[in-house]
Amino acid sequence: GNSVTQMEGPVTLSEEAFLTINCTYTATGYPSLFWYVQYPGEGLQLLLKATKADDKGSNKGFEATYRKETTSFHLEKGSVQVSDSAVYFCALSYTGNQFYFGTGTSLTVIP
Amino acid sequence: EAQVTQNPRYLITVTGKKLTVTCSQNMNHEYMSWYRQDPGLGLRQIYYSMNVEVTDKGDVPEGYKVSRKEKRNFPLILESPSPNQTSLYFCASRTRPDKTDTQYFGPGTRLTVL
Repeated sequence: GNSVTQMEGPVTLSEEAFLTINCTYTATGYPSLFWYVQYPGEGLQLLLKATKADDKGSNKGFEATYRKETTSFHLEKGSVQVSDSAVYFCALSYTGNQFYFGTGTSLTVIP
Repeated sequence: EAQVTQNPRYLITVTGKKLTVTCSQNMNHEYMSWYRQDPGLGLRQIYYSMNVEVTDKGDVPEGYKVSRKEKRNFPLILESPSPNQTSLYFCASRTRPDKTDTQYFGPGTRLTVL
């Protein structure tokens, strides 16, 4: 079946530190992969996406590369800010109708 | 302003008392979906709809019903709520059933079933 596994949180970093949040997936075909971000008290917002192998999604300094050989889509940012504090969800969509989300990783950035 | 709205935002109810959570979008989106979010489990899809009168089950449909009589509305119905349906619920919409398209999420409805 289809599933997404994210690294356990919570993650606490100092401002300007490097961020990596690991995400691996299991899928029966070639899904699209997504990272969503959820700020406190809000719904999810799409952060970035990649639709095929070796694609790199990027937005607001965040990047993730679709690695088919390792079935991974790790989220990275070179220098985090306090405003990046949120919960991050990795997700895949195989059919375009059903979505599978990871459990979420909470990030806190301290000044 | 393009948005997905949900009502109510907070609801406390008792076991067995039927309730409906409404979801409406003003973007003329074909695709709409309901999710529940639980600690340690992330988001799980309950139902989705590809267009008016077309709905299908997600991963966790038990205990829920939906209808899609109009394009803009996609209510979630709990005929006989139970405590294990206490959760944070999100409605989402997308232009079309295409895996590359962006989903827009509502602000969430926090439901407590006593």
